[in-house]
Amino acid sequence: EDQVTQSPEALRLQEGESSSLNCSYTVSGLRGLFWYRQDPGKGPEFLFTLYSAGEEKEKERLKATLTKKESFLHITAPKPEDSATYLCAVQVLETSGSRLTFGEGTQLTVNP
Amino acid sequence: SQTIHQWPATLVQPVGSPLSLECTVEGTSNPNLYWYRQAAGRGLQLLFYSVGIGQISSEVPQNLSASRPQDRQFILSSKKLLLSDSGFYLCALKGRGRGELFFGEGSRLTVL
Repeated sequence: EDQVTQSPEALRLQEGESSSLNCSYTVSGLRGLFWYRQDPGKGPEFLFTLYSAGEEKEKERLKATLTKKESFLHITAPKPEDSATYLCAVQVLETSGSRLTFGEGTQLTVNP
Repeated sequence: SQTIHQWPATLVQPVGSPLSLECTVEGTSNPNLYWYRQAAGRGLQLLFYSVGIGQISSEVPQNLSASRPQDRQFILSSKKLLLSDSGFYLCALKGRGRGELFFGEGSRLTVL
């Protein structure tokens, strides 16, 4: 059974304090790994897609990396507006559709 | 650009009442559409997906059903709501890339 585990569940940082969020996965044939940001009461906002081990993507203060078993979302010098829940999801090889299996998310709070 | 509209945004319903949540998309044709549910503080659970009019795949057997009467319309329904149906319901469409999904703003359902 495909599994996606995110850690930590919650993370509190001071503004400017860099850190990383982890997403580990156990799937039978990874097709893609996706990172989303979700603000309270809103739908998830797409951030990155990673397809193969060693791949990296960057957007402002966020950098996502991928290995064969996990992905990291690095947040450099975070600001209070980076506070949100970050979700990762995996897509596995299949014949139809584009079903994503999501982790439980990491709730990030950045204090000023 | 692709946009997703969901309504109603918020709904409070008594146990045993019917449900209809609507999702319409713009800026695309023949999209793959998805219904996800998010329980409080949890990840997203795939409920249904559709690759075309009248084509529905169910991921989790439950009290809900989905229909796709038009190319850009996806409806989530129930004949009799249960307390456990409470949650945040998200409609998504598959992007033009290799698998990413884009989400609507969601419909929050509270069953009392």
